[in-house]
Amino acid sequence: GAVVSQHPSWVICKSGTSVKIECRSLDFQATTMFWYRQFPKQSLMLMATSNEGSKATYEQGVEKDKFLINHASLTLSTLTVTSAHPEDSSFYICSARDPLRESAKNIQYFGAGTRLSVL
Amino acid sequence: KQEVTQIPAALSVPEGENLVLNCSFTDSAIYNLQWFRQDPGKGLTSLLLIQSSQREQTSGRLNASLDKSSGRSTLYIAASQPGDSATYLCAASTSGTYKYIFGTGTRLKVLA
Repeated sequence: GAVVSQHPSWVICKSGTSVKIECRSLDFQATTMFWYRQFPKQSLMLMATSNEGSKATYEQGVEKDKFLINHASLTLSTLTVTSAHPEDSSFYICSARDPLRESAKNIQYFGAGTRLSVL
Repeated sequence: KQEVTQIPAALSVPEGENLVLNCSFTDSAIYNLQWFRQDPGKGLTSLLLIQSSQREQTSGRLNASLDKSSGRSTLYIAASQPGDSATYLCAASTSGTYKYIFGTGTRLKVLA
């Protein structure tokens, strides 16, 4: 149980285009999902907290108009990188909590990540 | 503000050695601490999760300990193998927000 699926796993796009990344909880309902970014040879940095039915909470320094997050259902959150540029090339990973599982409500389950390359 | 640091940043050992990876965190008010493995260009593989009320967890050749009072966690790998070569990340779940703050990682290379 507690599987998080992320799609696509790899995307290449031209500069100026927008890219959407999906994060799905497959066997549980996730009221909260998290989006992380990892630059080469660096650790994961939290970008934003995605809350079902409400606006996402962004970490300091992350442009909310650049990285649009939508969490319209209990099993799906999307991250859209708008007008992507080469400096947005990175590894993006999502995670989700299962708040209904009392023994695991503070555990995050991670997707496999999406590698974005902007040309 | 929670900060998580891992030492060493990189480690190279011969096959068969027992080794210890260190993780330090500044705020002891955590829900849990989790150790992950990341292979080059890949996502995260969860290795061990220690809840705040626990002191250690074991899985096969891996043992992770947690000392909240000193703000430290260690990951012990017994009888290391070349297949253990990867980057190991620790992450502390911050009390009250459920956010994970990741450490800087330790790049491990086990030589055959």
